[in-house]
Amino acid sequence: QQQVKQSPQSLIVQKGGISIINCAYENTAFDYFPWYQQFPGKGPALLIAIRPDVSEKKEGRFTISFNKSAKQFSLHIMDSQPGDSATYFCAASKEEYGNKLVFGAGTILRVKS
Amino acid sequence: EAEVAQSPRYKITEKSQAVAFWCDPISGHATLYWYRQILGQGPELLVQFQDESVVDDSQLPKDRFSAERLKGVDSTLKIQPAELGDSAMYLCASSLSSLSGNTEAFFGQGTRLTVV
Repeated sequence: QQQVKQSPQSLIVQKGGISIINCAYENTAFDYFPWYQQFPGKGPALLIAIRPDVSEKKEGRFTISFNKSAKQFSLHIMDSQPGDSATYFCAASKEEYGNKLVFGAGTILRVKS
Repeated sequence: EAEVAQSPRYKITEKSQAVAFWCDPISGHATLYWYRQILGQGPELLVQFQDESVVDDSQLPKDRFSAERLKGVDSTLKIQPAELGDSAMYLCASSLSSLSGNTEAFFGQGTRLTVV
């Protein structure tokens, strides 16, 4: 019930291409879905987040698509750049649970120049 | 820019020794979290504080781990005795308040623990 499943484990994209990472959750009580970016040796940093009352949110080159009925959400990185190479984590939380984040296993993204 | 401070950045300790990590959250943040991140996996919550009170420690191995936030500001996570399986990154995060609906959590750079 608390799991968040993330795919793929790793992804290689050419510079300028679109990177797509997918997540699926089980607990329909979750009400906040953030994506975090983590560089080696650093802590995760919030990239973009969405709540289930909207189906899409865009910030610059980053877009979250949310499908409530399928219990899935995805991160799209447009015009991927070498500087986007990092590990990306999806997560989910619920205010009732103290907003503690349940993370996916992560996706290692490499953007080739 | 405000940030979550953690120390030490790296710690190597022998099995069965005690080890402690320190975290100073962003000023004014009432909620503090300790997460453990095993290499190649996502972070997992160990303990959550609201001010000085523990609100969730269900995943904290209480036979060897302890955490405190005595004055509701900085926090210490302790492991005694350390085991080989405790080798991981220990991340501290904070947010304004888990009670207010403000959900953005800010993470520190973490403490990389290696138990030998």
